[in-house]
Amino acid sequence: DVVMTQSPLSLPVTLGQPASISCRSSQSLVHGDGNTYLNWFQQRPGLSPRRLIYKVSNRDSGVPDRFSGSGSGTDFTLKISRVEAEDVGVYYCMQGTHWPRAFGQGTRLEIK
Amino acid sequence: EVQLVESGGGLVKPGGSLRLSCAASGFTFSSFTMNWVRQAPGKGLEWVSSISSGSSSIYYADSVKGRFTISRDNAKNSLYLQMNSLRAEDTAVYYCARDYYSFDYWGQGTLVTVSS
Repeated sequence: DVVMTQSPLSLPVTLGQPASISCRSSQSLVHGDGNTYLNWFQQRPGLSPRRLIYKVSNRDSGVPDRFSGSGSGTDFTLKISRVEAEDVGVYYCMQGTHWPRAFGQGTRLEIK
Repeated sequence: EVQLVESGGGLVKPGGSLRLSCAASGFTFSSFTMNWVRQAPGKGLEWVSSISSGSSSIYYADSVKGRFTISRDNAKNSLYLQMNSLRAEDTAVYYCARDYYSFDYWGQGTLVTVSS
């Protein structure tokens, strides 16, 4: 099974500063159809998860453009260009290439 | 507007059974793979099961294989999760999620507590 490893697990950030979360998979996430099904989710306190990014770098509708995803193969990154107060929560990467689906452990973003 | 509403959670004793439902609206339910994802209290997200649009392909996490059964009724726009032989470690909020290049819409979740 594919294992997803995120770092850091805790991320204190000053408002207005950038933030970056790394996600590594134990095997390549390139699907046989040529796509890479790596996704990022945000879970604000007390709420259901919300998808931010799909297929590595595609932002979902309504997601601010300060969020961006990049990477390939086994190494991926979620970047927030300028952190805002509403970004507090836990961020998860998830691979949708292989069965079983797998999430990373989560990265808790807090305001310093 | 896409809406997913889970129901059926509650308190159940170890070894007991529970059936979760997810009512979908705002999209053509029969065209999408659907999923169950759970989250134990204070823990991360865990994928549980997926079912293709026509129910021809079904997948389970090893942790629930043989105990849980996913199903759907496209005429009723509903997704189900039959959970048998429940264990304390199944205690979690269970979310249903639509699949469009992964989980693009989520419900609000339903809490399942397994305790004596």
